[in-house]
Amino acid sequence: DTAVSQTPKYLVTQMGNDKSIKCEQNLGHDTMYWYKQDSKKFLKIMFSYNNKELIINETVPNRFSPKSPDKAHLNLHINSLELGDSAVYFCASSQGRRNSGNTIYFGEGSWLTVV
Amino acid sequence: DAKTTQPNSMESNEEEPVHLPCNHSTISGTDYIHWYRQLPSQGPEYVIHGLTSNVNNRMASLAIAEDRKSSTLILHRATLRDAAVYYCILTGGGTSYGKLTFGQGTILTVHP
Repeated sequence: DTAVSQTPKYLVTQMGNDKSIKCEQNLGHDTMYWYKQDSKKFLKIMFSYNNKELIINETVPNRFSPKSPDKAHLNLHINSLELGDSAVYFCASSQGRRNSGNTIYFGEGSWLTVV
Repeated sequence: DAKTTQPNSMESNEEEPVHLPCNHSTISGTDYIHWYRQLPSQGPEYVIHGLTSNVNNRMASLAIAEDRKSSTLILHRATLRDAAVYYCILTGGGTSYGKLTFGQGTILTVHP
């Protein structure tokens, strides 16, 4: 069974559209994340939720809105998509947020292309 | 976040050991040293982590310098499947946890 699964894996959409990427983890973790990997391959954290509470919110445009219906799910909704939003988005999860030794498990990624 | 420095790329032959270095001269006393790797078209994958002592697991070994300002990831026998980008990351607790700062990493090429 896939530990962290995200859908869709590939998404091609036009500028101005609204789209969502869903993420689910079956590891029983209480913390989930969204990371963005740009064309230069740098991975940057966008959001982090612990037990459905937002704990990390990096400088991300308001067009990006995470939603956590329960601690096993963290969806990413993007409004008014722009060309610069094209990237690979990774969902991840971990147990706990204060122990630096905890492992973070990543999903396979969602390749978003805005045309 | 404390910064890490890694070589851009390294090459190895299959079945040979690989030593991937990482410098982190500004590491703080509570920072853990994590290594992740990213295979092509996949998400980052945890490899190993440590605080002060050397660590071994089924994937690799982590050698941490006594002053903790550098560390080395050791793959004992490289395989073609080990070809990936390897990231050395420092993690702190509290509100910075999960805020992994990925650098450019080291691109490892394994030759048959």
